[in-house]
Amino acid sequence: SYELTQPPSVSVSPGQTASITCSGDKLGDKYASWYQQKPGQSPVLVIYQDNKRPSGIPERFSGSNSGSTATLTISGTQAMDEADYYCQTWDTSTVIFGGGTKMTVL
Amino acid sequence: QVQLQESGPGLVKPSETLSLTCTVSGGSVSSGSYYWSWIRQPPGKGLEWIGYISYSRSTIYNPSLKSRVTISVDASKNQFTLKLSSVTAADTAVYYCATQGAGSSRQVVNWGQGTLVTVSS
Repeated sequence: SYELTQPPSVSVSPGQTASITCSGDKLGDKYASWYQQKPGQSPVLVIYQDNKRPSGIPERFSGSNSGSTATLTISGTQAMDEADYYCQTWDTSTVIFGGGTKMTVL
Repeated sequence: QVQLQESGPGLVKPSETLSLTCTVSGGSVSSGSYYWSWIRQPPGKGLEWIGYISYSRSTIYNPSLKSRVTISVDASKNQFTLKLSSVTAADTAVYYCATQGAGSSRQVVNWGQGTLVTVSS
């Protein structure tokens, strides 16, 4: 079965750029989406179709997807961006989520 | 904006069937704009997709749960439901109903607030 691999955790200083990776076999041939989940809340879609931002998502969130890795980039990271982030793709009629990355803003 | 609200028992006994309902507002379960999905998250763990149903009533389930899952729609009430049979403690999780885009990326667009279901005797 298809799997997506994310680093368990990343840390970033306020104002710096954070990058969270998501790896899967030929992931670049599929679409990747990203979700932000804060404690006690439902996830929120922040990137879809590799690099599109839903309405209301700040411009500091961006995405890319090539080869076997999709990347979520958060520019000018703010304290409010501290959360768990999950990547997701669609393969053989199944939705697959990555294991999640806990991002800490130090 | 579609809004979703889960409802159902918060405690289910092992070997019984978990049953949850999602009430939809701001949209119609008969619309072809979305797929109507269920996703779960065990406490402290990641997200697991359970499956979805389309406006045409076709269903796709996670292969790991397929033998135990049924998702159905009640258009008259604008609701869709999840049934998960033969539950064990491993099925304890927050269960979310959600909408997925009908395009090729199947992104999850809207999420309910989630409901915690505990499997315990």
